[in-house]
Amino acid sequence: AQTVTQSQPEMSVQEAETVTLSCTYDTSESDYYLFWYKQPPSRQMILVIRQEAYKQQNATENRFSVNFQKAAKSFSLKISDSQLGDAAMYFCAYRRTQGGSEKLVFGKGTKLTVNP
Amino acid sequence: DTGVSQDPRHKITKRGQNVTFRCDPISEHNRLYWYRQTLGQGPEFLTYFQNEAQLEKSRLLSDRFSAERPKGSFSTLEIQRTEQGDSAMYLCASSLFQGSGADTQYFGPGTRLTVL
Repeated sequence: AQTVTQSQPEMSVQEAETVTLSCTYDTSESDYYLFWYKQPPSRQMILVIRQEAYKQQNATENRFSVNFQKAAKSFSLKISDSQLGDAAMYFCAYRRTQGGSEKLVFGKGTKLTVNP
Repeated sequence: DTGVSQDPRHKITKRGQNVTFRCDPISEHNRLYWYRQTLGQGPEFLTYFQNEAQLEKSRLLSDRFSAERPKGSFSTLEIQRTEQGDSAMYLCASSLFQGSGADTQYFGPGTRLTVL
């Protein structure tokens, strides 16, 4: 069974600085998808960024980028120029490609605090 | 706003009572997912539908849980004979699957269930 581990229960960053959230996963599959979701307090979860495992190039969305290390099964999220609105729970998630379960497997999350 | 909506947002019930939650997906999305999230954990998959067909169910979905999506639009999740362990946030997500690739799941605000 696939598992996703987020080893940092909480992280904090100063406004305008950069922070990296860690995620590792375990799978025997060679092709899959990885995601970072953000869940602000009392608000719904939204997709931050996604990565296809077959792509070597790391995904980037504005201030958000990932460091995808397939051999190490590592998928970290870097947030540059942190803003107060980035404060939230961040969940790393894994999903198989077609032919298997369509579910997202989530880690336990990292609570990010942004200090002004 | 045409995002995923869930009703009710909060539900308090007594142990042994039945409860039903509703999820309205994004219009034209053919897939609908249910997840459960307990405090301090990431969401856990319960079940998903493609159109009206229920294609996958988690072992977490005991006999007391039933989900339907009768016309391939909205879905209901019913919990019979609720137990205190059922207290959690129930999340719904929808996506547009077009035959290949990973469909992005868009989440609703959730229904928070408290069983007394």
